[in-house]
Amino acid sequence: EDQVTQSPEALRLQEGESSSLNCSYTVSGLRGLFWYRQDPGKGPEFLFTLYSAGEEKEKERLKATLTKKESFLHITAPKPEDSATYLCAVQAPGSGYSSASKIIFGSGTRLSIRP
Amino acid sequence: GAGVSQSPSNKVTEKGKDVELRCDPISGHTALYWYRQRLGQGLEFLIYFQGNSAPDKSGLPSDRFSAERTGESVSTLTIQRTQQEDSAVYLCASSTPLSTDTQYFGPGTRLTVL
Repeated sequence: EDQVTQSPEALRLQEGESSSLNCSYTVSGLRGLFWYRQDPGKGPEFLFTLYSAGEEKEKERLKATLTKKESFLHITAPKPEDSATYLCAVQAPGSGYSSASKIIFGSGTRLSIRP
Repeated sequence: GAGVSQSPSNKVTEKGKDVELRCDPISGHTALYWYRQRLGQGLEFLIYFQGNSAPDKSGLPSDRFSAERTGESVSTLTIQRTQQEDSAVYLCASSTPLSTDTQYFGPGTRLTVL
């Protein structure tokens, strides 16, 4: 069964304290892995898409990496404004337009950065 | 440019009533998705529209749920005979035909069924 598990559920860091969020997945034939940021009361905001093991992408203080079993979202020297829930999602192969039904989201990691 | 908009932002209804939730996608985005997000949980796929093709309804949890989309514009998600377990945030997202992987989300409609 295709599954996405994110850990930890919640993470509290001091400003400037670097750490990593984990997204473990089991899916037959990964088509893509996505990271989103979600602020309270808002919809998710797209951050990254990773397609193959070994791929890395960066945006400001965030860097996403991908292996065959998991993805990490590394946050370097975080600031209070980085506080949010970070969601991971995977897309498994589908047929044509049915591919959307194979997008599976994890339950997210709530990140809190103390000043 | 304008992003994805949803209305209403909040909806409180009584058990057994029907509700309609609206989504206005980004202009030019042919793909439109509906998701449900229960408190503290991830997103649950509901339905997907792509242009004029038949929608993918495989995520709808019961026949009380239905959705329509007129062409490549507004979509309406209807929940009939609402139940308390329908309480959640309903999110809409759209994407371009060239990059269906990158979804742009609206702010969501928070539905509370009393």
